[in-house]
Amino acid sequence: DGGITQSPKYLFRKEGQNVTLSCEQNLNHDAMYWYRQDPGQGLRLIYYSQIVNDFQKGDIAEGYSVSREKKESFPLTVTSAQKNPTAFYLCASSTGAGIYNEQFFGPGTRLTVL
Amino acid sequence: AQSVAQPEDQVNVAEGNPLTVKCTYSVSGNPYLFWYVQYPNRGLQFLLKYITGDNLVKGSYGFEAEFNKSQTSFHLKKPSALVSDSALYFCAVRDRNAGNMLTFGGGTRLMVKP
Repeated sequence: DGGITQSPKYLFRKEGQNVTLSCEQNLNHDAMYWYRQDPGQGLRLIYYSQIVNDFQKGDIAEGYSVSREKKESFPLTVTSAQKNPTAFYLCASSTGAGIYNEQFFGPGTRLTVL
Repeated sequence: AQSVAQPEDQVNVAEGNPLTVKCTYSVSGNPYLFWYVQYPNRGLQFLLKYITGDNLVKGSYGFEAEFNKSQTSFHLKKPSALVSDSALYFCAVRDRNAGNMLTFGGGTRLMVKP
């Protein structure tokens, strides 16, 4: 999984609670991304960041928040406003957001709402 | 808007036989195409990409893909399948007109039987 770590691997949350998923990379990549994966569906982009202290909403940002205070770190908070948060969450990074650059993925965090 | 279609939810092939995983795309500009593989409960691993040039692209683990502009396809192929190739495969596309973001197909599960 190439220098990208995500923690925890499994996370259980009660309804109404906020939880934060960690993503760290030591690849010196500028761009970082958060995706959500549901069974039978491809990945959907939640948020992305092309540079420190800047981030943009993806296709399904509602109910999520992020920060990018350090180049290495891009934590994702799943808030109580997210109606159906149970899913597999994947973090990725790339050298830049340029069109040629492939993304490298972390091992994922499986979030289950009880 | 850009989109990717993987028409087969699952592909079954016998070990030693050639395999093909299909992908078609729709973009308004020039496509930049990627294949990723996902093993159970893991992140995605990059296999190969098409940016420009030769229509036949070679990638990791003996995989290759053929870009066909007239058919808007980018099928993944391997001459001789291994049981260890069994996994979930994702095709993805980027288009400058869509902000350089990756759009993923729904995934195809490849099952290679001994």
